[in-house]
Amino acid sequence: QVQLQESGPGLVKPSQTLSLTCTVSGGSIGSGSYYWSWIRQPAGKGLEWIGRIYTSGSTSYNPSLESRVTISVDTSKNQFSLKLSSVTAADTAVYYCARDAGDCDFDYWGQGTLVTVSS
Amino acid sequence: QSALTQPASVSGSPGQSITISCTGTSSDVGGYNYVSWYQQHPGKAPKLMIYDVSNRPSGVSNRFSGSKSGNTASLTISGLQAEDEADYYCSSYTSSSTSVFGGGTKLTVL
Repeated sequence: QVQLQESGPGLVKPSQTLSLTCTVSGGSIGSGSYYWSWIRQPAGKGLEWIGRIYTSGSTSYNPSLESRVTISVDTSKNQFSLKLSSVTAADTAVYYCARDAGDCDFDYWGQGTLVTVSS
Repeated sequence: QSALTQPASVSGSPGQSITISCTGTSSDVGGYNYVSWYQQHPGKAPKLMIYDVSNRPSGVSNRFSGSKSGNTASLTISGLQAEDEADYYCSSYTSSSTSVFGGGTKLTVL
């Protein structure tokens, strides 16, 4: 059973960089034809896809966030990471990591982690 | 990319059927058979209910079904149960090789 777990600071100051890591267990992040995605959800609002990475390192990002987002993968640690720069209060949200089975089918999700942007 | 369009809310009585629509464009919903649906209960992570328009993952009740016509996909829940009360989101692959979600629909079981 694949499990994902997000980790990282719960509070980030405006203009700084938000950094989160997703640790995958129950399977190798490098096996199979899977993408690994980040998705966020502001309180009381809908889901927003941030971006994805393939184990080869190829990435795809939401055009509205692309200039501020970097997603990377560390297969040796079975982890992938999110960096979002120049954050504002609008970036306050629950951040989820998820496995994408290939066609935007997010079949496994982490429990989510709340990141608040505030001074 | 613009979010897919879903009704803000739908409701139904136990035992009834309801349908939630998800409207996009020919660059996403209409262009690919890569629409999925997610159920989210308060405080929980979303759960995949339908993938590739009409396929159910193992363990998902056959009361949930999906379909697509043109640029609009639909999720139908038959035999409504109290436990079905949740938020539902659609998502689609896009021509830019990205993913886009709908705004979400709150299902109330009366």
